[in-house]
Parts: sequence; structure tokens; C-alpha cells
Amino acid sequence: QKEVEQNSGPLSVPEGAIASLNCTYSDRGSQSFFWYRQYSGKSPELIMSIYSNGDKEDGRFTAQLNKASQYVSLLIRDSQPSDSATYLCAVNPPAGNMLTFGGGTRLMVKP
Amino acid sequence: EAGVAQSPRYKIIEKRQSVAFWCNPISGHATLYWYQQILGQGPKLLIQFQNNGVVDDSQLPKDRFSAERLKGVDSTLKIQPAKLEDSAVYLCASSFSLGSYNEQFFGPGTRLTVL
Repeated sequence: QKEVEQNSGPLSVPEGAIASLNCTYSDRGSQSFFWYRQYSGKSPELIMSIYSNGDKEDGRFTAQLNKASQYVSLLIRDSQPSDSATYLCAVNPPAGNMLTFGGGTRLMVKP
Repeated sequence: EAGVAQSPRYKIIEKRQSVAFWCNPISGHATLYWYQQILGQGPKLLIQFQNNGVVDDSQLPKDRFSAERLKGVDSTLKIQPAKLEDSAVYLCASSFSLGSYNEQFFGPGTRLTVL
């Protein structure tokens, strides 16, 4: 069983719509959760971190965490073609800082 | 603030040859990580350093991979001998410290092709 799972996509949304990206994890004791954006041929770029249940908003991005359901999501409002990328969910174990990444979801925003 | 630096950016070698990658973390970051990212997959942690000590290398194929961070700043990852399945992007990341709430920042990566 994969430790961090994401739908590989592609997820296609029209420009201006809300894109919803989901991630589940297996280790119930996981403490910290991160979303990275990776453009083709580039390295991962940190866009959001979340540590407690609920929502965390940063500009057009909202991260949502539900530890009881072992579920993390990322919402992108007013999606732009420049948001087209692969979004990686990363989870830290109960102790330490050794990220486990999901396989990523490819997002395509169509003009 | 300068980001994580890596070199070279690209490397093509033949199988059984050796190769080395260099990384310089963000200034002041004590923790350094090497990840391997195979095309279409998420990064996989190979080794983690805290200053000049290894914290975790459980996923490093030690028969062919080695890494060091002798002075607690920059680091080198070596593969000897390389196999075809080592073709991947090798990413270096750093964080201020070990705690799980410390965010990790990635360098541009080194794309390795083994022929």
C-alpha cells in the first residue's frame, strides 16, 4: 500500500474555475503536510504547508486537512493557465523531517 | 536570499561509469536532503544530513551510492558504478532544522541519463 496517494490525473479545469486536488496518507500519526508545485522540467516549489485540522488560505490557494480521515486537499481558486503543473502532496512522519511524496496530480487549466 | 545550488544541471554517462553531484544548501540551513525523482513519480528520499552527520540513509543503495557532507555545509552524492535504472533527476533540498514543521526547499536538480 502506498503511503501517500494522489490521483495522477490529468485534472482538466477551465480558466477561472476552482481546481480541487486530493491526497490521502496511511500513517495516522503524521504531523505536517505540504503541497509542492512542479512545472515540467523544473524542481518542486513549496506552495502551502498545513499542520492542524481545518483550512489554511494563502491567496488563491486553500489547503484543507482532516486528520481523522487522513485526507489533505488543495483548492486553487480562479485557476489560470499558469497553474498548469504537477502538484505533489508530501507528508512527514510522526517524528523527524523525512518527507514522503505522493506521485503527483497533473493539473491542466484550459483558456 | 540565495536558494539551494546544484551542479551539474545535466549529466550523461554510460553504465558502469561513476558520477558525482554537488549541492550547496540555503545559508544557515542545518539539514540537507538528497532525493531521487524518476520520471512520472514523486521524489524519493535517499539520505538526510543534520550538519555533517547522517540522520537517515535507509533508502540509499549503499552498494553503489555514497554521500558526504564533511564540513556541514555543501554535500556530494556519488554513484559508482551507475546502472540504467539510475536515470533520474537528483534533487537536493535543505531545511532550517530537523523538526517536522521545518519546510524543505529544493534546488534545481541534476538530470542524469545513463546509457
